[in-house]
Amino acid sequence: GAVVSQHPSRVICKSGTSVKIECRSLDFQATTMFWYRQFPKQSLMLMATSNEGSKATYEQGVEKDKFLINHASLTLSTLTVTSAHPEDSSFYICSASPGLAGGDEQFFGPGTRLTVL
Amino acid sequence: GNSVTQMEGPVTLSEEAFLTINCTYTATGYPSLFWYVQYPGEGLQLLLKATKADDKGSNKGFEATYRKETTSFHLEKGSVQVSDSAVYFCALTENSGGSNYKLTFGKGTLLTVNP
Repeated sequence: GAVVSQHPSRVICKSGTSVKIECRSLDFQATTMFWYRQFPKQSLMLMATSNEGSKATYEQGVEKDKFLINHASLTLSTLTVTSAHPEDSSFYICSASPGLAGGDEQFFGPGTRLTVL
Repeated sequence: GNSVTQMEGPVTLSEEAFLTINCTYTATGYPSLFWYVQYPGEGLQLLLKATKADDKGSNKGFEATYRKETTSFHLEKGSVQVSDSAVYFCALTENSGGSNYKLTFGKGTLLTVNP
């Protein structure tokens, strides 16, 4: 149980286009979902936290207009990278928590590799 | 702010060798500490955790003890197997206020176990 999927697993796009990444909790309802970014040989950096039906809370330094997060249902959150540029190339990982992020375990997706040409 | 420092990899061991991956942390309060494991092609999975000083987390033969005096949470296993080959992340949570618990990760340590 507690499986989280991400789609796509890998995407290559041209500079200036927008890319949407989906994160789904397959067998539980996720009140809270988290989006992380991971650079090679670096830590996972939290980008934003989203609660279902509410606006996402972004970490300092993360551009909310560039990284649009939608958590419209208890099983789906999306991250849209708008007007992507090569510096946005990275590994994006989501996690989902069944609680209201009140210390409940986070279950992680397998990640999405974004390459912007 | 909070931070986690874990030993640089990669670590390469022979099967049945003893494993230690060091992890130290900096935190303003009293965090909970975690080890996550990421097997090739999969998402991160919680391996073990400890929520207060002197607690020992254990799972699948792995152990780590929350040492407040040395701000450490070193991961150990007495006899590794090939199937333990993965990337291991040390992490902590802080209560950032309200109901959101944020995870702060170390950089990860790649472990390769050879038969």
